Amino acid sequence: GENVEQHPSTLSVQEGDSAVIKCTYSDSASNYFPWYKQELGKRPQLIIDIRSNVGEKKDQRIAVTLNKTAKHFSLHITETQPEDSAVYFCAAKRGATNKLIFGTGTLLAVQP
Amino acid sequence: ETGVTQTPRHLVMGMTNKKSLKCEQHLGHNAMYWYKQSAKKPLELMFVYSLEERVENNSVPSRFSPECPNSSHLFLHLHTLQPEDSALYLCASSQGDRGRTQYFGPGTRLTVL
Repeated sequence: GENVEQHPSTLSVQEGDSAVIKCTYSDSASNYFPWYKQELGKRPQLIIDIRSNVGEKKDQRIAVTLNKTAKHFSLHITETQPEDSAVYFCAAKRGATNKLIFGTGTLLAVQP
Repeated sequence: ETGVTQTPRHLVMGMTNKKSLKCEQHLGHNAMYWYKQSAKKPLELMFVYSLEERVENNSVPSRFSPECPNSSHLFLHLHTLQPEDSALYLCASSQGDRGRTQYFGPGTRLTVL
């Protein structure tokens, strides 16, 4: 069935360092890949997304890359700050459905 | 935040109780979703409603019963739940029946005793 694998499950970095989270999807028909950030006790919030016709997208300190051939996509956060500490979820969606398949999440801790 | 609201925020119930979770979206969206979030597991999609019609039911036990009376409101009726049903239940909405960006509510933290 469809699934999304996400690594690592936990990531600890020093403030100012970069963080990279990787996801692999199984359904080759997937064409939309959002990333959500969930702070402790709060709702998941979309931080960036990418569609399958684009290889990279950037928004300030956050970037996402997509390799359709390998079926993997990654979130890159540069110059990390303590407020970046949260759980990050990747997801993949096939174009003809409403269904988002989520990864298991990565707990990112940015040490000041 | 007023985009997607959920009530109650916390709920403790016994296995024989009947309760309902409520979700309301103020974004003008026409698709709504229920997710279950358990520790160390991916977000699990439970139900999808598009234009008030259920279009997805992910093999959810019948003790969970959704209701979508209009495009702004979504309910999850609960009865004879099990302790393993304890989780955070998240509602989300999106625009378009295949809408991409889903906006989440704050969730209801459910504990089944």
